[in-house]
Amino acid sequence: DTAVSQTPKYLVTQMGNDKSIKCEQNLGHDTMYWYKQDSKKFLKIMFSYNNKELIINETVPNRFSPKSPDKAHLNLHINSLELGDSAVYFCASSLSSGGRFNEQFFGPGTRLTVL
Amino acid sequence: QKEVEQDPGPLSVPEGAIVSLNCTYSNSAFQYFMWYRQYSRKGPELLMYTYSSGNKEDGRFTAQVDKSSKYISLFIRDSQPSDSATYLCAIRGGAFTGKLIFGQGTTLQVKP
Repeated sequence: DTAVSQTPKYLVTQMGNDKSIKCEQNLGHDTMYWYKQDSKKFLKIMFSYNNKELIINETVPNRFSPKSPDKAHLNLHINSLELGDSAVYFCASSLSSGGRFNEQFFGPGTRLTVL
Repeated sequence: QKEVEQDPGPLSVPEGAIVSLNCTYSNSAFQYFMWYRQYSRKGPELLMYTYSSGNKEDGRFTAQVDKSSKYISLFIRDSQPSDSATYLCAIRGGAFTGKLIFGQGTTLQVKP
């Protein structure tokens, strides 16, 4: 029973292509996140949705577009892929977004390689 | 200046050693401080969190926050080869959004 799952696990594609990554959580959480981890292991928030509403939208190229069809799913679509988009993308979820501390549970990551 | 600074290492110690991992941060308003552990090719998992200043202990792990110097630490006693991983400090930067700001992560290797 995987709590936060992502598909695909690996994605190898050519520059200029469009690709999507999907995330699902079965924890009953209200908030989901997308993070990018670069080759130096630096992990940075990209987006967050709470109850399908976008609440974090960091300085990310508009080629990246998140979409949350429901509370349990958060997808990431990337247009016109560039070499610099190569990274590991992590999805995470938490019970809620604010208030007291809410642990974020991370998925296994999607390793994107742009050639 | 980054909001959270962490020495990326790598750090290599013999089994049984005491390990000290550290981060500094810039914004004195931060209240929640976390340590995540990330094994190779896996997602990060929460190890410990601390609210405000003070110490928190969980088995062989102790997290320490000194808000006066904006310094957070993780100590691992009697380190084991299974502790070999990347350790990421994180700070909750958004009280209403849950935004986490991570340090770069320190890669630790514990040699048997």
